[in-house]
Amino acid sequence: SQQGEEDPQALSIQEGENATMNCSYKTSINNLQWYRQNSGRGLVHLILIRSNEREKHSGRLRVTLDTSKKSSSLLITAFRAADTASYFCATAGAGSYQLTFGKGTKLSVIP
Amino acid sequence: ETGVTQTPRHLVMGMTNKKSLKCEQHLGHNAMYWYKQSAKKPLELMFVYSLEERVENNSVPSRFSPECPNSSHLFLHLHTLQPEDSALYLCASSQDPVVMNTEAFFGQGTRLTVV
Repeated sequence: SQQGEEDPQALSIQEGENATMNCSYKTSINNLQWYRQNSGRGLVHLILIRSNEREKHSGRLRVTLDTSKKSSSLLITAFRAADTASYFCATAGAGSYQLTFGKGTKLSVIP
Repeated sequence: ETGVTQTPRHLVMGMTNKKSLKCEQHLGHNAMYWYKQSAKKPLELMFVYSLEERVENNSVPSRFSPECPNSSHLFLHLHTLQPEDSALYLCASSQDPVVMNTEAFFGQGTRLTVV
């Protein structure tokens, strides 16, 4: 069953601005991960946040996790044209081998 | 390069053909996965292998048959597919099953078209 649900489905950003994507999920998790995918290619892991963590940073990325609301956000600061891609959240639940993905947010640059 | 290599990158096959997708990881990981990505649908997990043993099979039709001969290689054997099976097939690996707080490394995928 689908777990992660990203919002918005598509987002256009000007270079230099910040881009924020949200993810909601339904059941309890062990960890939540964000991935990036360039068109028609494989996914690249960005960041993993465990269920007992609230915030994590990696370069220009900032991820938050609110387990009480079953939601996470990914913030990309100082957006660049090279950040254009689809971004997916994925959840790993207790007792499961699965990473369950949402449909993703397609992020593009405003020319 | 993620350390996970998939071949072929593109495959066109007829509904009566038999073909195989290959995945190889050079990372010393213990778990490997097959995912299917169709247009406008979330990635769907098909199979999971942990230490060469299949541990999850998500109600995948029998026309898809996985094989994991060793911890570095994973195959997906295809036969009598349907046009709706056309999709991007992604292989991934992780040090341990992802529930244990490890990330997954994905290959570039095989774009499969069934005609």
